[in-house]
Amino acid sequence: DTAVSQTPKYLVTQMGNDKSIKCEQNLGHDTMYWYKQDSKKFLKIMFSYNNKELIINETVPNRFSPKSPDKAHLNLHINSLELGDSAVYFCASSPTPGQKFAEAFFGQGTRLTVV
Amino acid sequence: KQEVTQIPAALSVPEGENLVLNCSFTDSAIYNLQWFRQDPGKGLTSLLLIQSSQREQTSGRLNASLDKSSGRSTLYIAASQPGDSATYLCAVPEGGGATNKLIFGTGTLLAVQP
Repeated sequence: DTAVSQTPKYLVTQMGNDKSIKCEQNLGHDTMYWYKQDSKKFLKIMFSYNNKELIINETVPNRFSPKSPDKAHLNLHINSLELGDSAVYFCASSPTPGQKFAEAFFGQGTRLTVV
Repeated sequence: KQEVTQIPAALSVPEGENLVLNCSFTDSAIYNLQWFRQDPGKGLTSLLLIQSSQREQTSGRLNASLDKSSGRSTLYIAASQPGDSATYLCAVPEGGGATNKLIFGTGTLLAVQP
């Protein structure tokens, strides 16, 4: 029973298209995140939502729009895809921040390739 | 601004060896530190979370230590196996942990030779 699941696992699309990645967690966590792993394998946060409210937006182009319909879901929509958007996108969740035991759990990643 | 460094960047050891992976962070005001494992083409698996008040945390053959004052953590892997081959990442929450925005190190790529 996967704790954090995201779909699709692979996504190949042409420049200029709009695409969405979905994420769901069944851990009962209040907080969800999107991270991006670039070609050099470096992981960096993009967004964070706590109880459906945006709390972190890391200067990501506004072509990226996260949406959280409820605590258990955080989707990522990307408009007008560019070659430089090619990366692996990870969804994660954790208990409410500010707690020493707030362990983060990650999904399997979505490998986005823009051609 | 929190920065996390991992040394070495890559490590190759024969099966059965004990090994240590290192993680350094610049801001010692952290709530916790987490070690992850990433297999090629796969997601991140949480291995251990060590709270700021703890010095050590153990899970099976893995032992993580934390020295907040010196800004260091180590991950000790005992009796390494080929199945341990993966990239190991450490991460700390920025700003102490108020947002749980994780700052990741660049990882250590471990290869355990049979």
